[in-house]
Amino acid sequence: DVKVTQSSRYLVKRTGEKVFLECVQDMDHENMFWYRQDPGLGLRLIYFSYDVKMKEKGDIPEGYSVSREKKERFSLILESASTNQTSMYLCASSLYPGPSYEQYFGPGTRLTVT
Amino acid sequence: GEDVEQSLFLSVREGDSSVINCTYTDSSSTYLYWYKQEPGAGLQLLTYIFSNMDMKQDQRLTVLLNKKDKHLSLRIADTQTGDSAIYFCAESSADRGSTLGRLYFGRGTQLTVWP
Repeated sequence: DVKVTQSSRYLVKRTGEKVFLECVQDMDHENMFWYRQDPGLGLRLIYFSYDVKMKEKGDIPEGYSVSREKKERFSLILESASTNQTSMYLCASSLYPGPSYEQYFGPGTRLTVT
Repeated sequence: GEDVEQSLFLSVREGDSSVINCTYTDSSSTYLYWYKQEPGAGLQLLTYIFSNMDMKQDQRLTVLLNKKDKHLSLRIADTQTGDSAIYFCAESSADRGSTLGRLYFGRGTQLTVWP
């Protein structure tokens, strides 16, 4: 079974702090994704990566950066956390090219910025 | 998310069938997916269908695809209280340039099952 793990389930940070969210997958997937989920807005893609050291902006990259130094690990960085970044953050991975491109999700990190 | 649309809420009584609908706009979609999200958890892949299929059945789940109308539905037979969750429709596209492998999600349908 594919396993995607995220470093924290719950995180509370102060405005202006630098925040690191870590995601690890154990299935040698090429693609990894970071989403944020807010009520009524569904999932919005922040960044994704299709290979080590490669990244592409998603729909809402402002205020975020990412790092992928190893294939299994994809980090989301909030350079200076703000209250409007309070959200649920979901990481996913997928095999690409693959038979059906389905994404496998981690359990999520609920981040609160005060 | 604007390419994939779902109604936001659905309520059913335990034992009834639930039908969750989804429409999409990309005619080059190759796969369409249904995910389930329970409270406080990540998304779990329920099933997917290739775009050249009309129907796929997996135990209590039936997926119907009308490619002409770009309409996808998920039917859950004998709905149980444990089926209460948010259900997301998603599609992949074979022709979106560098975003190959990306999925496009709807906003999710909150299914509430009443005992």
